[in-house]
Amino acid sequence: AQKVTQAQTEISVVEKEDVTLDCVYETRDTTYYLFWYKQPPSGELVFLIRRNSFDEQNEISGRYSWNFQKSTSSFNFTITASQVVDSAVYFCALLTNAGNMLTFGGGTRLMVKP
Amino acid sequence: DAGITQSPRHKVTETGTPVTLRCHQTENHRYMYWYRQDPGHGLRLIHYSYGVKDTDKGEVSDGYSVSRSKTEDFLLTLESATSSQTSVYFCAISAERGGYGYTFGSGTRLTVV
Repeated sequence: AQKVTQAQTEISVVEKEDVTLDCVYETRDTTYYLFWYKQPPSGELVFLIRRNSFDEQNEISGRYSWNFQKSTSSFNFTITASQVVDSAVYFCALLTNAGNMLTFGGGTRLMVKP
Repeated sequence: DAGITQSPRHKVTETGTPVTLRCHQTENHRYMYWYRQDPGHGLRLIHYSYGVKDTDKGEVSDGYSVSRSKTEDFLLTLESATSSQTSVYFCAISAERGGYGYTFGSGTRLTVV
């Protein structure tokens, strides 16, 4: 069975602060994919990143960065210099190569205050 | 946009009535999925399809049925709606199994009163 845990249900920061969203996953498969999605107040799900289990390189995209550590089964997401527009619910998700199902964590609601 | 639309976008229905939600795609993707989103649970898979007339159950399939008679359409039916099925329903599509990721529709907000 696979499982994704996002222990932080809500985070509140002030604009320009850095913030890290935690994601811990469980799977017995050796080949798998990890994702982050953003759900702004408008409700749609926006794809942010995909990472496969064989690529542990960290990735940076503008103010966003992701830290993948297989040793701790974590795929954390950091927003640098947060902005009000970053306010959203963020989901971490896991897809195993053998499975047909994208498994989501419970989500973290990020509120960035001006 | 990715070519996936859900209808209706909002619906209010009474307990005990049947409800059908539609997902339509123009991408010719093989895989289609129905998820429901509830606070604290993230998104949970209801049913998925891996081809025309080929469907399977997900994590929370009780009370739901699906049909896929054409590649482009995947229907989710609540045979007799209950208040516990009040939720936001998302359809998703994927070209293949594995790590291709999913593209999601805009969601249908269903309220059962």
